[in-house]
Amino acid sequence: AQKVTQAQTEISVVEKEDVTLDCVYETRDTTYYLFWYKQPPSGELVFLIRRNSFDEQNEISGRYSWNFQKSTSSFNFTITASQVVDSAVYFCALSEATTQGGSEKLVFGKGTKLTVNP
Amino acid sequence: GAGVSQSPRYKVAKRGQDVALRCDPISGHVSLFWYQQALGQGPEFLTYFQNEAQLDKSGLPSDRFFAERPEGSVSTLKIQRTQQEDSAVYLCASSRRSQGTEAFFGQGTRLTVV
Repeated sequence: AQKVTQAQTEISVVEKEDVTLDCVYETRDTTYYLFWYKQPPSGELVFLIRRNSFDEQNEISGRYSWNFQKSTSSFNFTITASQVVDSAVYFCALSEATTQGGSEKLVFGKGTKLTVNP
Repeated sequence: GAGVSQSPRYKVAKRGQDVALRCDPISGHVSLFWYQQALGQGPEFLTYFQNEAQLDKSGLPSDRFFAERPEGSVSTLKIQRTQQEDSAVYLCASSRRSQGTEAFFGQGTRLTVV
């Protein structure tokens, strides 16, 4: 069965600190996709990144970077030099290639609430 | 429109009342999803449409929940005889029909059953 675990419920940092959000996943599929979404107080989930299971190359986008390690089933997210605007709930999610009806449905973790204080 | 639009944003229903939640996906998006998000939790899958066909409804919690997308665009999630445990945010998402593409979410409808 597929499962996503975000062990950190809440994290609080001071502006300009680096912060890493952990994500561990479980799946039996060899082909799958991993995602990170940001949910600000307005409620809308904002897409940040998608990785497929065959691409373990780490990715950097501005202050954001992602570390995908199949050996440990982890897909961690690091924000460098955090800003107050980064405050939100961050969700890691998994989509398997073989799902009922080809739905590509997302299985989410419980989220990590990040608070960046000025 | 530019994004996924959901209405109403907030709904208060008396226990036992029927409710209907609307989702306008991004134009041209073939796939449409409904998720339920309880307070402090991650979204949980309810159902999936490819065009007008409901291909996966494995996440619907009971037969009181019903979803439709008759013309392959706008979708409605209906909850009959609402119960307090139905209180949650209902999120709609749409995506292009290709494997592993990102889903774009609406702002959700917050349903409170009193």
